[in-house]
Amino acid sequence: AQKITQTQPGMFVQEKEAVTLDCTYDTSDQSYGLFWYKQPSSGEMIFLIYQGSYDEQNATEGRYSLNFQKARKSANLVISASQLGDSAMYFCAMRQNNAGNMLTFGGGTRLMVKP
Amino acid sequence: DADVTQTPRNRITKTGKRIMLECSQTKGHDRMYWYRQDPGLGLRLIYYSFDVKDINKGEISDGYSVSRQAQAKFSLSLESAIPNQTALYFCATSDSPGLAGVGELFFGEGSRLTVL
Repeated sequence: AQKITQTQPGMFVQEKEAVTLDCTYDTSDQSYGLFWYKQPSSGEMIFLIYQGSYDEQNATEGRYSLNFQKARKSANLVISASQLGDSAMYFCAMRQNNAGNMLTFGGGTRLMVKP
Repeated sequence: DADVTQTPRNRITKTGKRIMLECSQTKGHDRMYWYRQDPGLGLRLIYYSFDVKDINKGEISDGYSVSRQAQAKFSLSLESAIPNQTALYFCATSDSPGLAGVGELFFGEGSRLTVL
């Protein structure tokens, strides 16, 4: 069963606006980590942000923030002030710390930023 | 030069051929992984290795094999390629979580394989 769900296959956002990319996960573990990666059209995978399950504060990295709602098992990525260079595929991933520390990825969301 | 290097970057082959994808890294990480990416399915783990003597199957290991020749080298083989193995393949490395970061994966640039 898929453990990471990204329900938005594709979405548009106007340049300079904020956008939220959804991610829900399924685990019975207490210790886990959540990651977001960006994949531009060139194909490389770029690490954006990390949230640990015990972290009380939502993670932030520049224009990226992670809206972590543990009880709802969601880890949405918020991109503020979208730029044209944000157009890419975005993947949410989970590491279950008691299951070998591998990352399991969601199906991805393609974000397109309109000028 | 890239920290994680994959060769070849692109390969077209025929059904039944043996293919090897190679990965080398200069990050000094013990952990290495092979993933495949298919549209709509994200990345799925094929094999992983936490040190030279450690090889583990991932979610979709059937039809694949791996070899960890050294700490820095991890190769993926398709013994008899079939068309549904057409995909983008990524090698990745990581540190153990907590050593020098959160254990994020560092990816190679990908190897696009087409099996006709």
